[in-house]
Amino acid sequence: EAQVTQNPRYLITVTGKKLTVTCSQNMNHEYMSWYRQDPGLGLRQIYYSMNVEVTDKGDVPEGYKVSRKEKRNFPLILESPSPNQTSLYFCASSYRLGISNEQFFGPGTRLTVL
Amino acid sequence: GDSVTQMEGPVTLSEEAFLTINCTYTATGYPSLFWYVQYPGEGLQLLLKATKADDKGSNKGFEATYRKETTSFHLEKGSVQVSDSAVYFCAPSPMDTGRRALTFGSGTRLQVQP
Repeated sequence: EAQVTQNPRYLITVTGKKLTVTCSQNMNHEYMSWYRQDPGLGLRQIYYSMNVEVTDKGDVPEGYKVSRKEKRNFPLILESPSPNQTSLYFCASSYRLGISNEQFFGPGTRLTVL
Repeated sequence: GDSVTQMEGPVTLSEEAFLTINCTYTATGYPSLFWYVQYPGEGLQLLLKATKADDKGSNKGFEATYRKETTSFHLEKGSVQVSDSAVYFCAPSPMDTGRRALTFGSGTRLQVQP
């Protein structure tokens, strides 16, 4: 089954404790990205990757890191989480960026930073 | 950069009522246009899309027409059901495959009452 998987689905952590949220897709997609969803602010892009070893900042990259060493994986790293990073996070992928290429979304990771 | 304006929610309707959710955008060139839907507790999924001017996307009774002259892509449904209760996101996607971030609308929550 074609899908985007994220782990963990729920995470409660404390300020300053490094964490990684994994994202994997099995569709051989080139484009992958991370979003955060906050009430009243909608969906905002954190980082995106056009292909392996090619990453770039989205609208809200501060406090986050990403890497794209393999085509299928795109982990999101919070080196020193803070309470303002409490949010619902989505990973997404598409074949490539361009005409008619829809985004496929993971189920989401709800992160709480105390 | 690209931007999207969606009508604010929540939109509360009775079952079988007519639905319109407005979406206007600014973008470089002529992007593809997408509507995504997020059901409670789930990630986003594609609802419908249109790839060029005057195209009409449709799915599950929803329709949206790509209006280049007004840069709009309003979502409509003639008779909503309780099961349509969800958050709806409008999103343009650039035509080219250069380095590009993606922009989503802020989302419109629809609540359909029996």
